[in-house]
Amino acid sequence: AQSVTQPDIHITVSEGASLELRCNYSYGATPYLFWYVQSPGQGLQLLLKYFSGDTLVQGIKGFEAEFKRSQSSFNLRKPSVHWSDAAEYFCAVGASTGANNLFFGTGTRLTVIP
Amino acid sequence: DVKVTQSSRYLVKRTGEKVFLECVQDMDHENMFWYRQDPGLGLRLIYFSYDVKMKEKGDIPEGYSVSREKKERFSLILESASTNQTSMYLCASRPGGRNEQFFGPGTRLTVL
Repeated sequence: AQSVTQPDIHITVSEGASLELRCNYSYGATPYLFWYVQSPGQGLQLLLKYFSGDTLVQGIKGFEAEFKRSQSSFNLRKPSVHWSDAAEYFCAVGASTGANNLFFGTGTRLTVIP
Repeated sequence: DVKVTQSSRYLVKRTGEKVFLECVQDMDHENMFWYRQDPGLGLRLIYFSYDVKMKEKGDIPEGYSVSREKKERFSLILESASTNQTSMYLCASRPGGRNEQFFGPGTRLTVL
């Protein structure tokens, strides 16, 4: 069965510190992987995506993520967090071809301390 | 840029009312989706549509129906709203051949 696990419900970091948000997935086929960010009261914005090729992908706002097939993981990282990064982050997985839907994790809420 | 708009940002309705949530996308996408988002549960798919007049049930279709009469518009209908349908509703669209969804700003529905 398809599923996405984000083990951290809430993370607090200081501004300027590094960040890693964890994502593990279970998927029966070659996955497409995504990270979305949701600011309070807003819809979801795509941060980055992995379809194939280089396993380290760069996204917007200075974020990157690394696909590790052996660990079924797609962790999101940022070397230096800004106060504006405070938001909720969702990892999602979908099929590489054919299927329509994405499966989302339950999200990780990020708080940034000045 | 892809734009997905939703008719209301905030909506308050009474139990038993019929509720329409509208979503419009301007990029000629084939696929459209309705999710509800609840704390601790992430996004759960209610319905999706892969073509005009075509629809498929998602994970939690009970109590909802949808309509897609035109390619750009996908409506979510609560036939008789109940308090347990108080939630954030997110619409998304996706072009054919690409599994990347674009989201609207969401509608926060409160049913009293």
